[in-house]
Amino acid sequence: RKEVEQDPGPFNVPEGATVAFNCTYSNSASQSFFWYRQDCRKEPKLLMSVYSSGNEDGRFTAQLNRASQYISLLIRDSKLSDSATYLCVVIVSSGGSYIPTFGRGTSLIVHP
Amino acid sequence: EPEVTQTPSHQVTQMGQEVILRCVPISNHLYFYWYRQILGQKVEFLVSFYNNEISEKSEIFDDQFSVERPDGSNFTLKIRSTKLEDSAMYFCASSRGSAGAGTTDYEQYFGPGTRLTVT
Repeated sequence: RKEVEQDPGPFNVPEGATVAFNCTYSNSASQSFFWYRQDCRKEPKLLMSVYSSGNEDGRFTAQLNRASQYISLLIRDSKLSDSATYLCVVIVSSGGSYIPTFGRGTSLIVHP
Repeated sequence: EPEVTQTPSHQVTQMGQEVILRCVPISNHLYFYWYRQILGQKVEFLVSFYNNEISEKSEIFDDQFSVERPDGSNFTLKIRSTKLEDSAMYFCASSRGSAGAGTTDYEQYFGPGTRLTVT
């Protein structure tokens, strides 16, 4: 089983739509969680950290479900500029070390 | 807004040659990282570096790789004898703290990457 799994998509949605992505992780020792976005051939850019209580930043909401070992990202009122690949990052704690593991990403295409 | 910078943006080298990729992390960050992303694949962790020492490294980071902070600003990745399969985008990142310090301190900021092409 892959350590961090994401539906590759693409999710093809119209402007203004609400879209949600999930990311599952296999290691229960996972400690920290992040969502990044990556535009084609560019660097990953931090979108938001994911806190245990869930957090919201404008149109973006992130949730963590430790019992089911997944995190989610909800985007409301999608904009054309939201088109990108969304990367889930899980930090696994093992013997005092912390290893970041990326998912392969979920592609979002927002169309007019 | 402070940002991570990387040079060169594109490096072409012949198999067996040594390359050095350079990064300038954000100035008040203490933890530095290298990642690679082969075209069409996921981002893979290579190594993390703190206080002039490697903190963690992945299985990919074998003896052909080394990292160094030669001065107060640069952070370098050296690949000793490049192979065709080393062709990838290499990203440098930095963070204020480690994962143990808390989620916010561990937020990593990435540089624009160096595209390495080995021929």
